[in-house]
Amino acid sequence: SQQGEEDPQALSIQEGENATMNCSYKTSINNLQWYRQNSGRGLVHLILIRSNEREKHSGRLRVTLDTSKKSSSLLITASRAADTASYFCATEGGSARQLTFGSGTQLTVLP
Amino acid sequence: NAGVTQTPKFRVLKTGQSMTLLCAQDMNHEYMYWYRQDPGMGLRLIHYSVGEGTTAKGEVPDGYNVSRLKKQNFLLGLESAAPSQTSVYFCASSPTEDKQYFGPGTRLTVL
Repeated sequence: SQQGEEDPQALSIQEGENATMNCSYKTSINNLQWYRQNSGRGLVHLILIRSNEREKHSGRLRVTLDTSKKSSSLLITASRAADTASYFCATEGGSARQLTFGSGTQLTVLP
Repeated sequence: NAGVTQTPKFRVLKTGQSMTLLCAQDMNHEYMYWYRQDPGMGLRLIHYSVGEGTTAKGEVPDGYNVSRLKKQNFLLGLESAAPSQTSVYFCASSPTEDKQYFGPGTRLTVL
């Protein structure tokens, strides 16, 4: 079973707009990570937020984590056509750095 | 550094045939993982390894076997392929930090 559920499943926006994706999970975690997957490619790590952190920034990315609600959000500001990809949240809660992935949000940024 | 590489990139098998997927990493990472990704879904962990000579089961291990004889290589075997194993397979590796580095994937079709 998948730990994370992402919302929305698909999102289409205009270039320059902000994109927000949400992730909910079920059990306690050590950290939550976001990955990007371009069509036909492997996943690329974007950002990691630990369970004792509430917000983290990296360039145009902003991640929030609410452990009381078991949810996270990823905000991409000033989106570009190159941001078009699938975005996955992944939770790490066990040993050996095992990750449990959500089903992903397909983001399309229109030029 | 080449990072994480996977061989082959594509493969078509007939039901009952066997094959081995090779994952190699040149980053001296301790942890390695095999995932499968089915359409519209996130990644599911098949097997993983926390070091040379070790392997462990993930979420969906049935029908697969793995070996980690050398630190840099992680092999995934299908002894008797079934159509349900049609998927895209991703290998990943991780150092002591939490994030994982992914290979480009192997697209497997079982007829």
